[in-house]
Amino acid sequence: DGGITQSPKYLFRKEGQNVTLSCEQNLNHDAMYWYRQDPGQGLRLIYYSQIVNDFQKGDIAEGYSVSREKKESFPLTVTSAQKNPTAFYLCASSILATDNYGYTFGSGTRLTVV
Amino acid sequence: AQSVTQLDSHVSVSEGTPVLLRCNYSSSYSPSLFWYVQHPNKGLQLLLKYTSAATLVKGINGFEAEFKKSETSFHLTKPSAHMSDAAEYFCVVSEAGFQKLVFGTGTRLLVSP
Repeated sequence: DGGITQSPKYLFRKEGQNVTLSCEQNLNHDAMYWYRQDPGQGLRLIYYSQIVNDFQKGDIAEGYSVSREKKESFPLTVTSAQKNPTAFYLCASSILATDNYGYTFGSGTRLTVV
Repeated sequence: AQSVTQLDSHVSVSEGTPVLLRCNYSSSYSPSLFWYVQHPNKGLQLLLKYTSAATLVKGINGFEAEFKKSETSFHLTKPSAHMSDAAEYFCVVSEAGFQKLVFGTGTRLLVSP
């Protein structure tokens, strides 16, 4: 079955550590997105990519980095510069077309700073 | 710029009674509108979408929504709530031709027996 796989499901980070969240899709979608979800704030866009080897900052990119070396993969690194990284992280993908067909979401990674 | 406002942070209903989750949007052009559902610690699942076809949109699990341009609204309804409908619901807007989605802050639906 086609879909988006995020791993790990739960991740714990020590202060000052960088951690990388994995996102892989086999839907042959062009675009991929990373969102951060905090209680009562909805989803906020961190980074997005519409094509391999290209990506754009979203609304809250500071303290995060991404790469898009393959169409199927869009890993997110949470760096030590992100002062409040504890959150639920969601990866999504979409077809790029004239009409917007919406996004397909992964099941998320919950990151906790310990 | 487009935006979306979900008018209720929480909605409580009894099983078997109707559900109404309210959403107003702001958009400069013809918008695409979506409703997503999220169960605890899960990703988001698409319930339904409006992309300038019929104004009454039917989705999965008995949900539907009506696009009202004059009221800039896209409210989500279901005739009879089920316990499994308890979840968080997000109203989402995107301007036609643009792929970036803008999410509302969510409405938590509570269903009591």
